[in-house]
Amino acid sequence: QSALTQPPSASGSPGQSVTISCTGTSSDVGGYNSVSWYQQHPGKAPKLMIYEVSKRPSGVPDRFSGSKSGNTASLTVSGLQAEDEADYYCSSYAGSSLVFGGGTKLTVL
Amino acid sequence: QVQLVESGGGVVQPGRSLRLSCAASGFTFSSYGMHWVRQAPGKGLEWVAVITYDGSNKDYAESVRGRFTISRDNSRNTLYLQMNSLRGEDTAVYYCAKRFSGWSLDHWGQGTLVTVSP
Repeated sequence: QSALTQPPSASGSPGQSVTISCTGTSSDVGGYNSVSWYQQHPGKAPKLMIYEVSKRPSGVPDRFSGSKSGNTASLTVSGLQAEDEADYYCSSYAGSSLVFGGGTKLTVL
Repeated sequence: QVQLVESGGGVVQPGRSLRLSCAASGFTFSSYGMHWVRQAPGKGLEWVAVITYDGSNKDYAESVRGRFTISRDNSRNTLYLQMNSLRGEDTAVYYCAKRFSGWSLDHWGQGTLVTVSP
C-alpha cells in the first residue's frame, strides 16, 4: 500500500488560514469516509485532530476543519496560532489496513 | 485518564527477535481494538498492525507480515508486538494506539525505540 501524498511543507502568518492536502486513490481516501488527521510536535506522540473526514474529537479547537473531494482530503487550520506549528499527518482506511501520508511540516511565520 | 505505556525497545542485531509491550490503563481495554504504528528516525508515521478488541482478528502491513505478530492479554490490559527476523529498516519508535472511531486513533503511548544494528 503506497503512502498518501502530502506537501512536505506549508506556512502561514498568525491569524491566517492554511490548507494541507492529502491525495490518495479510490482504494483509500476516495473509497471510504475514514480519513483522519494527526498533529505531532517534535519528540511527542501524534494527537488526533480530525476523524471521519470532518469530525473533531472533544477538545480540538474548531479552528481545525477537514473535508474531502474525490481522492483528496484536506485539513484547514484557520486563525493560525504559534502552537499550531507542528507536523501534520493524514491517514485513511485502505481495506483491512491503514495508510498514512508522508507528513506536512506547518510553519507559523 | 487513558494511559498507554510501551516498553521492550532496545538495540538488537539483524535477524534477532524482540517483544514490545504496551500497558493500558484508564479505559476498558478489552472493549477496544488496538494498533501499533512506527516512525523511523526523522521520517513519517507507518502503520504496522491492528488487533480487534477480543484478539480474534489481526491485520498487518505488508512490510512486516510473516515476521511480526500482534497479540493481547485482556486479563493483564496489555498489548504485545512480537518482532522476529528484524532488519535495519525496522529501526523506529514504536507506538501503541487505541482505536477511536473506525480506523482513527485517539490515544497514543510515548513510544519505545527499537534500533536494529550489527
